[in-house]
Amino acid sequence: EPEVTQTPSHQVTQMGQEVILRCVPISNHLYFYWYRQILGQKVEFLVSFYNNEISEKSEIFDDQFSVERPDGSNFTLKIRSTKLEDSAMYFCASSLQGYQPQHFGDGTRLSIL
Amino acid sequence: GNSVTQMEGPVTLSEEAFLTINCTYTATGYPSLFWYVQYPGEGLQLLLKATKADDKGSNKGFEATYRKETTSFHLEKGSVQVSDSAVYFCALSDRGNQGGKLIFGQGTELSVKP
Repeated sequence: EPEVTQTPSHQVTQMGQEVILRCVPISNHLYFYWYRQILGQKVEFLVSFYNNEISEKSEIFDDQFSVERPDGSNFTLKIRSTKLEDSAMYFCASSLQGYQPQHFGDGTRLSIL
Repeated sequence: GNSVTQMEGPVTLSEEAFLTINCTYTATGYPSLFWYVQYPGEGLQLLLKATKADDKGSNKGFEATYRKETTSFHLEKGSVQVSDSAVYFCALSDRGNQGGKLIFGQGTELSVKP
C-alpha cells in the first residue's frame, strides 16, 4: 500500500539554526499538510498546500516557517531560525482530494538544543 | 472555533473487554469525523470515518456513529485485544472538498492487558 515517507526520523539542531524536514507524499495525491505534536499535547495543524500554494495556515505558521514542493515528489517544511519551543514531532500528510482522508507519515522528531 | 474533546486516558482494560472512548465536537456546518490510531513509534493511521449525520464508520471491529444531535462520535469495540494498545485520536475536518485541515482531540491512550 502506498505510504507517506518522512526523513529524517530524528533531527537534532542547535537553537537559531535552520532545519528542513522532508516528506514524500503518496504519488497521486494533490493535497499536502504539515502538523506538529509537542510532547504530551494535541496534534496541531500547521499548513495545507494545494496547486503549488498555501491554501490555509495556522497562527503557529509564522514567518519563520515555509513550505515548498521543489519537484514532483518532495514536500518540505523549513524552519529558518529554530527556537527551543519548536521541539516537537512533525507529521506530514497527504490526501487525494481535499474531502478525502489524510494519510500520515511516521513523523520527524525535532529536538532543539 | 471548531474543537474536539476526548475522554482522558490512560484507559486500561483486560483482553476481551468492551471499549468505549468518548469524543464530542464543536463545529459550524457539517464536518467529517475521523478516528486515527497511533501505535508506538509509528505515525497516525486512519481507523474509520463518517461524513454525515447517522453514518457509522467501522474497521477492524471498531465502530463509531456520527451523532449530530449530541455532537458525538464515540469509538467502541466489543472485545479488545492486546494488539489494540495504542493512542486513539478523534478528529474533525471542516472544509469539505477545499482541503480541510484536521482538528484533533488530545488523544486517549489505551492499554490492553492479557
